[in-house]
Formats: sequence, structure tokens, C-alpha cells
Amino acid sequence: SYVLTQPPSVSVAPGQTARITCAGNNIGSKSVHWYQQKPGQAPVLVVYDDSDRPSGIPERFSGSNSGNTATLTISRVEAGDEADYYCQVWESSTDLTHWVFGGGTKLTVL
Amino acid sequence: QVQLVESGGGVVQPGGSLRLSCAASRFSFSTYAMHWVRQAPGKGLEWVAVISYDGNNKYYADSVKGRFTISRDNSKNTVYLQMKSLRANDTAVYYCARDRDTGSGSPFDYWGQGTLVTVSS
Repeated sequence: SYVLTQPPSVSVAPGQTARITCAGNNIGSKSVHWYQQKPGQAPVLVVYDDSDRPSGIPERFSGSNSGNTATLTISRVEAGDEADYYCQVWESSTDLTHWVFGGGTKLTVL
Repeated sequence: QVQLVESGGGVVQPGGSLRLSCAASRFSFSTYAMHWVRQAPGKGLEWVAVISYDGNNKYYADSVKGRFTISRDNSKNTVYLQMKSLRANDTAVYYCARDRDTGSGSPFDYWGQGTLVTVSS
């Protein structure tokens, strides 16, 4: 089945830009969604369809997707952005229909 | 604001059964596909199952196929997950989540707070 690979951790200083990658075979042909999960809380959708933001999500959160890598970019990082981030895609064929999550990336704000 | 409230978690012995419920409110429940997603302690998210808005289509992760059954009662605004033949590695927080659209690749736009299932003797 389809595999999404994320770096286990990313560290960034406040005010800098964080980039979290999600690698998958020809992922650029799929729609990628991103979720933020803080400790003890449910995930929250922060980017969908590669680069769209739900209402209420700051413009600092953006996404891109091309080739074999999708990227979540968080600009002007704040302490409150510290969380786990997961990418997600939908895999569908004649034999199966699955939703796949990446392994998650822990964002640390230094 | 959309609300999803899971219940039914607890401790169960290996081989046992459990039924989770997810009560939905403040949106037109019968027009949305619904998912179950789980997260083992200290681990990442794992999609478990989805059911279409009308209950006619259901899909499962390979890890639970044949053991778990997803269902819904649109008259009660509730989605269920019947779990049988439980194993230790089914131990996780189970979240229900709303599919933003028809269940065909759209994102999960609202999540419940989760219910913990522990499989242990």
C-alpha cells in the first residue's frame, strides 16, 4: 500500500520558517491534507487539498505539493505552533480504498 | 459548532468485543461520510474505517478488516464501531471524524476528543 514518509522531528527558532516534508511516490498527483495535533488533543485540519486553509487557520500555514514531495510551511513560527504534524492522502483503486497518514513530525520551537 | 462525542471505550481482554459510539450534533449528519481513526499510545494516526453518508458503502484498513464493523444510525445522529477479536495492538485512542465531503479523498474537517480502548488481560 501507499507509504508517506515524514521526518520524525523539525526544530526552528521563533519567528523563523518551518518546513515539514511528506514524501510519497508521485505524491504530486494526489491531494494532500495536513493535521496539527497538540499533546492530549484531537488533530486539527490546517491545510487541505495541498494548499488550501480552513477558516480560522492563520495565513502563516501554507502547503505545496509536487513530484514526490509535499511540504507544509509555517512562517513566523510561534511557540503555540509546537505540535505533531501529519500528512494524509487518499488511495483508491479497483481493489481498495484507503486513507493513509504519514508517520508524523514533531515540531519543536526552540 | 460541530460536535462529535465518542463513548464506549474501556478495558477489554484479548479476544473480547467492544462497541464504540460517536454522537454527532450541530450539523446535518445524514449528509456526511464519517471515519474512525485510531492512535496507539505514543504513536501516529492510523485510519480505521469509513462509512458513506447513507451507510451503503464501507471501507476498512487491512489491520481491522473482518474484525471491525462500522455502521450508522442517521435517525440518532450516531456512528458506531463494533470491534471483535480484539488484540493487544488494538489498544489506542479511537477518534471519530467527519469527512468534509463525500468520502472520496476529502479531508477530515472535525474530530471528536477520542475514547481510549485498552486490550489487556
